[in-house]
Amino acid sequence: DIQVTQSPSSLLASLGERVTITCQTSQSISNNLNWYQQKPGQAPMLLIYYATSLQTGMPSRFSGQYSGRSFTLTITSLEPEDIANYFCLQHYSAPHTFGAGTKLELK
Amino acid sequence: EVQLVESGGGLVQPGRSMKLSCAASGFTFSSFPMAWVRQAPTKGLEWVATISTSGGSTYYRDSVKGRFTISRDNAKSTLYLQMNSLRSEDTATYYCTRDAHRAPFDYWGQGVMVTVSS
Repeated sequence: DIQVTQSPSSLLASLGERVTITCQTSQSISNNLNWYQQKPGQAPMLLIYYATSLQTGMPSRFSGQYSGRSFTLTITSLEPEDIANYFCLQHYSAPHTFGAGTKLELK
Repeated sequence: EVQLVESGGGLVQPGRSMKLSCAASGFTFSSFPMAWVRQAPTKGLEWVATISTSGGSTYYRDSVKGRFTISRDNAKSTLYLQMNSLRSEDTATYYCTRDAHRAPFDYWGQGVMVTVSS
């Protein structure tokens, strides 16, 4: 199985701050990685698919990049509604595997 | 609007069975493969099973093979997960998700909790 290492596991940030979350895969997956946001008691929401494509309806302050086996999710300017858990998913090969998640909290 | 609503969870004893359902709306259900994903308390997410559009092909993670069965009723736009011989390690919130080619796992339900305990 492809291992996905997500960091940090938790993150304190201020409103307006630039936030970056990273997922590293154990082998090359091309761009086959998605990013999700999940708030307590709610369904996960797709933010970014195929590493860089913004899901329809998601704010443009969210963006995804990748280089080799390293993938990043960036929030350019943190808004209050961005406080949530974030996780990544590799869908290059079965079984699809997830990062452990990042809990984003307000400083 | 795409909606996925899971039901059927609860408390069950080890070794017993439980069947989850996921009612889909807002899209042509029969056109999309579907999947179940779970998250144990304080643990990460893990894929459980996937089913093709017709139901003719199914895929499972090793730990549930032979115990879980994923199925679908396209006429009712409903996805199922039959879970037999349940173990304590199956305790988790179970999510159904749409496995779209454009964006795998693009829509998720809110999840249903399954607790396996005596």
